[in-house]
Amino acid sequence: NAGVMQNPRHLVRRRGQEARLRCSPMKGHSHVYWYRQLPEEGLKFMVYLQKENIIDESGMPKERFSAEFPKEGPSILRIQQVVRGDSAAYFCASSPRDRRSTGELFFGEGSRLTVL
Amino acid sequence: AQTVTQSQPEMSVQEAETVTLSCTYDTSESDYYLFWYKQPPSRQMILVIRQEAYKQQNATENRFSVNFQKAAKSFSLKISDSQLGDAAMYFCAYRRSGNTPLVFGKGTRLSVIA
Repeated sequence: NAGVMQNPRHLVRRRGQEARLRCSPMKGHSHVYWYRQLPEEGLKFMVYLQKENIIDESGMPKERFSAEFPKEGPSILRIQQVVRGDSAAYFCASSPRDRRSTGELFFGEGSRLTVL
Repeated sequence: AQTVTQSQPEMSVQEAETVTLSCTYDTSESDYYLFWYKQPPSRQMILVIRQEAYKQQNATENRFSVNFQKAAKSFSLKISDSQLGDAAMYFCAYRRSGNTPLVFGKGTRLSVIA
């Protein structure tokens, strides 16, 4: 009964490189949410996806950031040309379809990105 | 847009005592959920308690209970018989009904003093 799986747990990149963070939702969950947590701050919503669709990307920076949730495989959050300000913990959460939902989002353990 | 406000950046409590963490929120919706999540140093987000807005009865989970005041848009968390393991960041969160994102407050850091 695996929970939400995120990898890598820790990622170090140099400025200008690309970072790819992966998230596999809980079994039976078809909705994925990405959040960013800067040091000493709360979680900020970035993007909400269903399989092959971006539903809400209102929290996503307009440049360098993209997300996908393909028909097969995990959801991927991609950050191009990383800068030091991208250093943060990135959390993925999942939920089932609405009629099965208790309202709760189930979180992964997060991926900590450090940009040197 | 919905907002969640936690006005206490830090709180402390003596072991075995009771502490209350405050949370207010702003919404025009009538159907929604409220949550308290705990984030220990491991950074794992752990659900502490949830409340459905249509339920008048306050949610309770063992030593954790809430005081949900819908008209005042207030959702405080009470921790009774505090334990050292309760030390963590606590986040209040709101979610509109349906598949929508959680909106988090900025958090309250709780210290438990032995």
